[in-house]
Amino acid sequence: DVKVTQSSRYLVKRTGEKVFLECVQDMDHENMFWYRQDPGLGLRLIYFSYDVKMKEKGDIPEGYSVSREKKERFSLILESASTNQTSMYLCASSLTEAFFGQGTRLTVV
Amino acid sequence: DAKTTQPPSMDCAEGRAANLPCNHSTISGNEYVYWYRQIHSQGPQYIIHGLKNNETNEMASLIITEDRKSSTLILPHATLRDTAVYYCIAGYSGGYQKVTFGIGTKLQVIP
Repeated sequence: DVKVTQSSRYLVKRTGEKVFLECVQDMDHENMFWYRQDPGLGLRLIYFSYDVKMKEKGDIPEGYSVSREKKERFSLILESASTNQTSMYLCASSLTEAFFGQGTRLTVV
Repeated sequence: DAKTTQPPSMDCAEGRAANLPCNHSTISGNEYVYWYRQIHSQGPQYIIHGLKNNETNEMASLIITEDRKSSTLILPHATLRDTAVYYCIAGYSGGYQKVTFGIGTKLQVIP
């Protein structure tokens, strides 16, 4: 079975902390994505990567960075977490259709 | 990627067919139409996709108009478990993909 695994289901961090959200896929997919989901706003694309070390900004990249050193792993980095980054974060990978992880609910206090 | 437009919400009686529309008037010739759904608190799940022909699988049917400017996802016998947000997106199959979602359609299946 296809699998996209996010490292944490729930996370609580303090304002100003550097936060790493990790995502691993086992399908050898080229494309990987990070989204955030907030009530009433749907899924919004933060960053995506179409190959190792390749990345492209999505619709809301401000305050985030990413890293893709290996094909199977795509990390989302909040350099200095702020309360407005409290959200559900979803990782996905794709070749044709996209497969999603279960999400990380991040609370920044 | 082409923009898609969906109604924000729909109701459907349990056991009846649910027909979810999507407009994608700017879709390019080699972009596919994909449908996903998201049940509360879970990651989105792929349902079906197609290019120009109608498609059917064990979950749903996809009807794409001849001009490819719109499509309809059909759940033939909706159950309470089909209550979810349904997303229609236009995108490429394989290779470079920038997959963006809109707000989707909240389908409520009513007993």
